[in-house]
Amino acid sequence: AQKVTQAQTEISVVEKEDVTLDCVYETRDTTYYLFWYKQPPSGELVFLIRRNSFDEQNEISGRYSWNFQKSTSSFNFTITASQVVDSAVYFCALSEANLSYNTDKLIFGTGTRLQVFP
Amino acid sequence: GAGVSQTPSNKVTEKGKYVELRCDPISGHTALYWYRQSLGQGPEFLIYFQGTGAADDSGLPNDRFFAVRPEGSVSTLKIQRTERGDSAVYLCASSSSGRFSGTQYFGPGTRLTVL
Repeated sequence: AQKVTQAQTEISVVEKEDVTLDCVYETRDTTYYLFWYKQPPSGELVFLIRRNSFDEQNEISGRYSWNFQKSTSSFNFTITASQVVDSAVYFCALSEANLSYNTDKLIFGTGTRLQVFP
Repeated sequence: GAGVSQTPSNKVTEKGKYVELRCDPISGHTALYWYRQSLGQGPEFLIYFQGTGAADDSGLPNDRFFAVRPEGSVSTLKIQRTERGDSAVYLCASSSSGRFSGTQYFGPGTRLTVL
């Protein structure tokens, strides 16, 4: 079964601390996509990153970095030198890319609420 | 360019009433998705359109829920005989090429409250 687990419900840090948000997924397919979205208090989901299952290279974008490990079915997200503006709920999501399925719906985790205090 | 837009932003209705929620996708996006997000949860898939047709409606909870996309652009999610359990934020997303395009861009959502 497809499933995304974000075990951390809420994390609080002080500005400039590094923080890692965990994501563990389950899938029956060898081809799939993983995503992170940010949901600030305004409510709109903001796309952060998309990775396919064949690309395990870690990615860095500014203060954001992602660690994809197929061996542990994890796709963790690290924010370096966190800022107050990083406060939001972060969602990890999975999309299976199987030609026999007529959909590429996203399966979301329950989210991790990050609070960054000044 | 303009992102996904949804109207209304808030809708309050009474139990048993009919509601329609509208989604305007990003111009040129062929794929459109509806999700529902309850408080403290991640979004849950409802239905996916590729062009005008519903390619996957497996997430619709029951036959009170229906969605259309008659011209392959704007979509309307329709809920009949609303129940208090339907209260949630309804999110719409679109992507440029449908299956395996990967990136779905979300609108701001419609917050539905059923009294």
